[in-house]
Amino acid sequence: RKEVEQDPGPFNVPEGATVAFNCTYSNSASQSFFWYRQDCRKEPKLLMSVYSSGNEDGRFTAQLNRASQYISLLIRDSKLSDSATYLCVADGPTGNQFYFGTGTSLTVIP
Amino acid sequence: NAGVTQTPKFRILKIGQSMTLQCAQDMNHNYMYWYRQDPGMGLKLIYYSVGAGITDKGEVPNGYNVSRSTTEDFPLRLELAAPSQTSVYFCASSYSRVGGYTFGSGTRLTVV
Repeated sequence: RKEVEQDPGPFNVPEGATVAFNCTYSNSASQSFFWYRQDCRKEPKLLMSVYSSGNEDGRFTAQLNRASQYISLLIRDSKLSDSATYLCVADGPTGNQFYFGTGTSLTVIP
Repeated sequence: NAGVTQTPKFRILKIGQSMTLQCAQDMNHNYMYWYRQDPGMGLKLIYYSVGAGITDKGEVPNGYNVSRSTTEDFPLRLELAAPSQTSVYFCASSYSRVGGYTFGSGTRLTVV
């Protein structure tokens, strides 16, 4: 079983739509979680950390569900510039290694 | 502020050749990492370092070596290139073990 699993998509949504991605992690002891975005042929860039109580950054909301071992990312009022691949990340047993999901592709359509 | 700088951006190697991928950061981060990214496979950790003089293996260390003589630099060495090492390599750094990463722009390596 992969440490972090994501639905690869693609998700194609119209501008202004709300879209949500889920990601599951296998290590019940994981403590640190992140979402990154990666544009085509570019490096990943940190989007946001995911806190136990959930957190929001503008149009983006991240949630953590420890009981079911998944994290989610909600994007409201989608913009064309949100088109990218979104990577889910969780730390491993030692805390020194982070495991990346394979990414979920989002295309926002005019 | 340059962040994380990787060189070269592109490289073609012949099987059996060696090369060093350079990575430098100017943010005084203790933690540095090397990942490779293959299509559909996600990023895999090769090696990491928690400070100068300290390195450790990640998920996929075979065929690679690293050193960390200074806080700023974390070069990745490929000794005998193989086609399986064709990939995009990303270097990253963070200020703490649980901090988010800053990535370099990557090195696209092809081994033929």
